[in-house]
Amino acid sequence: DTAVSQTPKYLVTQMGNDKSIKCEQNLGHDTMYWYKQDSKKFLKIMFSYNNKELIINETVPNRFSPKSPDKAHLNLHINSLELGDSAVYFCASSQGPSRAEDTGELFFGEGSRLTVL
Amino acid sequence: GESVGLHLPTLSVQEGDNSIINCAYSNSASDYFIWYKQESGKGPQFIIDIRSNMDKRQGQRVTVLLNKTVKHLSLQIAATQPGDSAVYFCAENLMDSSYKLIFGSGTRLLVRP
Repeated sequence: DTAVSQTPKYLVTQMGNDKSIKCEQNLGHDTMYWYKQDSKKFLKIMFSYNNKELIINETVPNRFSPKSPDKAHLNLHINSLELGDSAVYFCASSQGPSRAEDTGELFFGEGSRLTVL
Repeated sequence: GESVGLHLPTLSVQEGDNSIINCAYSNSASDYFIWYKQESGKGPQFIIDIRSNMDKRQGQRVTVLLNKTVKHLSLQIAATQPGDSAVYFCAENLMDSSYKLIFGSGTRLLVRP
């Protein structure tokens, strides 16, 4: 059973297009994230949702719009794609540090490689 | 500012040798640290974690050391195997902040047969 699954795994598109990446987790976690990994492997947080509520928005351009219909899903929609958006986008989830015994451990999906031509 | 780790270096080791991967963090208020392993084409996977009230934690073939005085983490892998080849990231978190794990820039480990 896949704990955090995201689709599509690969996405090739033209500049200016709009695209979406979907993510689902079956771990019962309260918190979900989107991270962007650039060509140098640097992982940077973009967004985080806790129980469908946006709690982190890391100065990402407003062309990126996350949506969380329920706490098991967090989708990422990108408008007017630019060359610099090419990257691997990782969805992740965690229980979140809501209790003393919880940790910040993230469970990652396999990534969605976006290539903008 | 927020900064964890070094620019992506590469560590090459002989199979069977021990590996040590280092990481520096900048936020002295961080109280929880994790090492992740990322294999090619996959998402990062949890290896081991440590809270700031500890300075050493051991897992199976892995040990994490935390030196809060100099804000330094290390990951030691004993008897390195070909399957250990991957990019390794350290990450830090404030346990009382909003669920934000900050990653370092990673180290690539290559295991020579």
